[in-house]
Amino acid sequence: AQSVTQPDIHITVSEGASLELRCNYSYGATPYLFWYVQSPGQGLQLLLKYFSGDTLVQGIKGFEAEFKRSQSSFNLRKPSVHWSDAAEYFCAVGPRGANNLFFGTGTRLTVIP
Amino acid sequence: DAGVIQSPRHEVTEMGQEVTLRCKPISGHDYLFWYRQTMMRGLELLIYFNNNVPIDDSGMPEDRFSAKMPNASFSTLKIQPSEPRDSAVYFCASSFRGGGNTEAFFGQGTRLTVV
Repeated sequence: AQSVTQPDIHITVSEGASLELRCNYSYGATPYLFWYVQSPGQGLQLLLKYFSGDTLVQGIKGFEAEFKRSQSSFNLRKPSVHWSDAAEYFCAVGPRGANNLFFGTGTRLTVIP
Repeated sequence: DAGVIQSPRHEVTEMGQEVTLRCKPISGHDYLFWYRQTMMRGLELLIYFNNNVPIDDSGMPEDRFSAKMPNASFSTLKIQPSEPRDSAVYFCASSFRGGGNTEAFFGQGTRLTVV
């Protein structure tokens, strides 16, 4: 069955610490891959996306993600977290040949001083 | 462009009442998506349109839900009659050439509470 898994429901990090949010997918072929961020009371904003090519992609706000085909993973990273990064983060996949997006259940990030 | 515009931002209604959610996509986008977000089920795709035509409505939970897109700049999601379990945040999103291979832009959502 097709699925997107974000195993961490809630993560707490200290400001300035590094961050890694995990995402695994299960699809027949490598889909298009996305990370979105949702601030409280807001819609979703695209952080970055992977279609093909370089497996390390850079996004906005200092985020990056690495696609690892062997692990079916697309983990999101940031070397130094800021208090404003506190939000909910969603991994999403777009099956090639399809026109819709499937989302993981999200990871809530809390940043402590 | 002002982005995807949804209205109302908040809706509180009594069980059994009809509820209509509205969405104005980004001009020039040819795909429009309706999602529902709940704590229990996360983000679920309800239905999506391409060039105003419904393509996949398999995510619509039951016949009480209906969606229309009468023109390229307007879509509605209607629930009739509404039930407390419909309480959720409903998002509209639009994209150019499909949300599966390009960026989907989301509205700020409509928070629906059915009491």
